[in-house]
Amino acid sequence: GENVEQHPSTLSVQEGDSAVIKCTYSDSASNYFPWYKQELGKRPQLIIDIRSNVGEKKDQRIAVTLNKTAKHFSLHITETQPEDSAVYFCAASMEAGTALIFGKGTTLSVSS
Amino acid sequence: GAVVSQHPSWVICKSGTSVKIECRSLDFQATTMFWYRQFPKQSLMLMATSNEGSKATYEQGVEKDKFLINHASLTLSTLTVTSAHPEDSSFYICSARSPGGEQFFGPGTRLTVL
Repeated sequence: GENVEQHPSTLSVQEGDSAVIKCTYSDSASNYFPWYKQELGKRPQLIIDIRSNVGEKKDQRIAVTLNKTAKHFSLHITETQPEDSAVYFCAASMEAGTALIFGKGTTLSVSS
Repeated sequence: GAVVSQHPSWVICKSGTSVKIECRSLDFQATTMFWYRQFPKQSLMLMATSNEGSKATYEQGVEKDKFLINHASLTLSTLTVTSAHPEDSSFYICSARSPGGEQFFGPGTRLTVL
């Protein structure tokens, strides 16, 4: 089955810096790669996603890149703000709306 | 956006009792729902896929007789933790697939077994 590895497990940056979180997956049949932000005790919130027919997607300060050949995808957050502090999870699935396999998460801390 | 609710939001029970958690899609019909479990400071682990009108599909290592899933209608799936023990204490989160193919998460249920 699918296995998703995520690095780093923790990331501390200064406000205004960029943050990059990387994930790899094992199943070449996966075609959908979402990123979630989760605050303590709350549900995961989708922040951006990418499908296998696209190499990069951007939404304001957030971007995701996908290298399907190498089976890895990354989340880039620019101009980080303290409110970006949370746990971020990458995930992979066959297609949008199917069962998700999550990475172990990255705790991002943005200090002002 | 679409709304998925869970009930209860938290529950404390004695060891050996059974606990039922409900997951509802409030404004769309969901033929497929998913159940995840999240231990403190860990990731979400897929437990099972719940399909309306048919048996759930369980992930490897998840005991189907212990975690009973019923998806009797297009807007409701239930997870029953039978004979709960302290090691079952966790955050249980459901998600529902909308007709458009998006997946929406419920707010989660925190289960504490004493």
